[in-house]
Amino acid sequence: EIVLTQSPDTLSLSPGERGTLSCRASQSISSSSLVWYQQKPGQAPRLLIYGASSRATGIPDRFSGGGSGTDFILTISRLEPEDFAVYYCQHYGNSPPWTFGQGTKVEIK
Amino acid sequence: QVYLVESGGGVVQPGGSLRLSCAGSGYSFGAHGMHWVRQAPGKGLEWVAFINFDGGNKYYADSVKGRFTISRDNSHSRLYLQMRSLRGEDTGVYSCARVSTQDVVRGFKKMASYYMDVWGKGTTVAVYS
Repeated sequence: EIVLTQSPDTLSLSPGERGTLSCRASQSISSSSLVWYQQKPGQAPRLLIYGASSRATGIPDRFSGGGSGTDFILTISRLEPEDFAVYYCQHYGNSPPWTFGQGTKVEIK
Repeated sequence: QVYLVESGGGVVQPGGSLRLSCAGSGYSFGAHGMHWVRQAPGKGLEWVAFINFDGGNKYYADSVKGRFTISRDNSHSRLYLQMRSLRGEDTGVYSCARVSTQDVVRGFKKMASYYMDVWGKGTTVAVYS
C-alpha cells in the first residue's frame, strides 16, 4: 500500500503570499496517478489537479502542481482569501486502496 | 449541472446497520465508476469502497471489508452502501464521488489519469450507544 505524507501539517501565510505544499509517497508512483483536492469547512472536496500537473476545469492558474517519483508539490502562486482551506493529495493508481495524504491546512497568518 | 446527493445517514448503536444512498443527476450515471469516501470528525479523507461502471468490480478498504457492501442501480442513477456491524470508528460524514479519466502526456508517454471529479456533500453517520 502506498502511504502519502503531506508537509507541513499547517501552513500559515498572508494573502498574496506564495504557498508550497508537499506530498511524499512511500514508494515511487506514476505522476499520472497523483491528484490534489481542496476542502473548505462544511464543504465537499473539490478537484484541483490530476496527473500531478493538469489543472481541473475552472481551476485558476495560480494553482500549479509538479513532481515525479516520490515527491510532489502543489503551489499556490498568490494566495487569495478563498484559498485558505485544507489540501489533500491522493494516489489514484490502478488498484486499491486509493489512499489520501493526511492533509495540509493553509491558514491565514 | 452534475449533482450527487447522499441520504440515509443517522444515529445507530454499535452493531447496528444503515443503508446509505447516493443519487446522481446531470450526467450518464452508468458510464462512471463510483466511490464512497468518509471523514471522521476533525480528521482527513478515508477511502471506503469502489464500484466500477456496471457493478462488476467492487473493492473495499480493509477497515470495512466484510461489513460494508457497495452496489448500484444504473436504471435509477443510484449508488448504495450497506453498512453492517457498525462500530464507533465508523462515525463520520460519508460522501459519494464520481470517477473520471483524462489522458495526460508525461515525457513522451501518454497515460490515463483517474480522479474523483464530482463529490456529494455527504450524509452523517453517528455510531454510539
